[in-house]
Amino acid sequence: DAGVIQSPRHEVTEMGQEVTLRCKPISGHDYLFWYRQTMMRGLELLIYFNNNVPIDDSGMPEDRFSAKMPNASFSTLKIQPSEPRDSAVYFCASSSNIGEQYFGPGTRLTVT
Amino acid sequence: EDKVVQSPLSLVVHEGDTVTLNCSYEVTNFRSLLWYKQEKKAPTFLFMLTSSGIEKKSGRLSSILDKKELFSILNITATQTGDSAVYLCAVHGNTGKLIFGQGTTLQVKP
Repeated sequence: DAGVIQSPRHEVTEMGQEVTLRCKPISGHDYLFWYRQTMMRGLELLIYFNNNVPIDDSGMPEDRFSAKMPNASFSTLKIQPSEPRDSAVYFCASSSNIGEQYFGPGTRLTVT
Repeated sequence: EDKVVQSPLSLVVHEGDTVTLNCSYEVTNFRSLLWYKQEKKAPTFLFMLTSSGIEKKSGRLSSILDKKELFSILNITATQTGDSAVYLCAVHGNTGKLIFGQGTTLQVKP
């Protein structure tokens, strides 16, 4: 298996633009997680899905952030409109149980 | 509120030294504790611990959990420069979320 796949790997955009991050989990994994990592705040869980259903989105910072999982092999995290403070590395991770998670390579987002 | 606290926050050692990283936690309905290593990219899984007193070992790395005192340690013996990384501890509670600590940055000097 290729592991968790994320795209794009790098994204630079201007404030106010819409940003969409994509994730393909490992085949057969029932759980999918979106994280954000910054120097100031470390690694933060934004939202996670189980069997394509959002279970906990309490980490989503505000209404500008939304996430979907239309099927077992694809998820998106959207920021609209983006702001400079959204600049971070966004990780997607998947797991087959509620413990061990496998992380994708991350998307480095820069909002100017 | 669930929380995970790691110590020390940073550590500098020389090759060959042994290091011990600490992770203490408070979480509702503990299910498991995980250790990850993060270099310049994504975290990679090291260990998952669910039972007290049972050491998990992988090469020069080992870890143990104390569910009574609510902590875990990660030991690295005979450190090498390739061990330089951020080591993350995360705890899994009833909700399904992983709560991460702030990480310990380890630098191993030649």
